[in-house]
Amino acid sequence: AQTVTQSQPEMSVQEAETVTLSCTYDTSESDYYLFWYKQPPSRQMILVIRQEAYKQQNATENRFSVNFQKAAKSFSLKISDSQLGDAAMYFCAVTNRDDKIIFGKGTRLHILP
Amino acid sequence: NAGVMQNPRHLVRRRGQEARLRCSPMKGHSHVYWYRQLPEEGLKFMVYLQKENIIDESGMPKERFSAEFPKEGPSILRIQQVVRGDSAAYFCASSPSPGLKLFFGSGTQLSVL
Repeated sequence: AQTVTQSQPEMSVQEAETVTLSCTYDTSESDYYLFWYKQPPSRQMILVIRQEAYKQQNATENRFSVNFQKAAKSFSLKISDSQLGDAAMYFCAVTNRDDKIIFGKGTRLHILP
Repeated sequence: NAGVMQNPRHLVRRRGQEARLRCSPMKGHSHVYWYRQLPEEGLKFMVYLQKENIIDESGMPKERFSAEFPKEGPSILRIQQVVRGDSAAYFCASSPSPGLKLFFGSGTQLSVL
């Protein structure tokens, strides 16, 4: 069974600053994928970033990057130059190739102007 | 290419009635997932379907809940004899292949009176 733990229910960051959201996971698979999804107040789920476990290089998407530590089963999300539009719930998720995607409980991110 | 379409957006039912939630995946996507989200919580996996097959229903209650994804037409999540505890947002997502990006619908908010 796969599990995802997000230990920070809420976080706040000053606009233009950098924030890191934590995520740890557990899986018995060797081939799997990790995701960060954003859910703004509109409720729409938006993919922020995706990482393939077999790739050692950390994924980046503009201001969003991850710190993937495979041995530690850690997958944190770093948001640089935080903007007001980044305020949302952020969900970490894991899946293997043939299975469902499992989500963590989420971290609510507040951006302080 | 239209995104994942869910309808209705809001559904109100009285206790004991049936709720039918519809999901049309993106064109070319044969993998459909249903998730339930309670207020201020993450997404809980319910069921994973491919065309005409249920792949994994380990997250779906054994009674009153059923899901299908027929050869033609949308995927349907059916809840019989609804109770107040069924009130939640139900999200559908589709993917062309497991491990790739999930595309989410806007969800159906079910309210049971």
